[in-house]
Amino acid sequence: GQQLNQSPQSMFIQEGEDVSMNCTSSSIFNTWLWYKQEPGEGPVLLIALYKAGELTSNGRLTAQFGITRKDSFLNISASIPSDVGIYFCAGRPNMDSNYQLIWGAGTKLIIKP
Amino acid sequence: DTEVTQTPKHLVMGMTNKKSLKCEQHMGHRAMYWYKQKAKKPPELMFVYSYEKLSINESVPSRFSPECPNSSLLNLHLHALQPEDSALYLCASSQGFNTNTEAFFGQGTRLTVV
Repeated sequence: GQQLNQSPQSMFIQEGEDVSMNCTSSSIFNTWLWYKQEPGEGPVLLIALYKAGELTSNGRLTAQFGITRKDSFLNISASIPSDVGIYFCAGRPNMDSNYQLIWGAGTKLIIKP
Repeated sequence: DTEVTQTPKHLVMGMTNKKSLKCEQHMGHRAMYWYKQKAKKPPELMFVYSYEKLSINESVPSRFSPECPNSSLLNLHLHALQPEDSALYLCASSQGFNTNTEAFFGQGTRLTVV
């Protein structure tokens, strides 16, 4: 079946550093989503991307829908302690099936004080 | 109100018990979902309800039984679970099966089967 390769698996960074993570697939996706999940909570949608080449920001977060429609990246600028958590990418391969999401394995972000 | 509320937050049950997980949303969303999430893994879709009708069952064992009493409520009835069913159970809702209507997730119920 379709899979998403999300990397890196985890990141240890200093507060104030910029962060970059990405998801790639061998298949085309029509939607890319980026979620953040903190311990004991459900995933929270950060950014949704619907068009190839689309670049969208949400505060210090920026995400892009790759031109080939097979990848997406998420950047976080000037990280702060509350950015810790697990970041998941998710892709929707078929516009007719809104429920069907393929999820990446997650990137765990740890910030050293 | 932009919340999906799940109760209980934590649940410990024996393998012979019957219990139910509850989910509620008041955003007027017409699609509701149950996901299962194991530690350090992404959520896995279990069931989807659309307009109070079961639309998707991702080959979930019958010991999990969903129910949608009305457009705001979603239940997951549990019976004769196994220890490997221990996980975080997430409820989500979205406006419907249209594009560009992404799901809101609840906080989840942390289930432990002993």
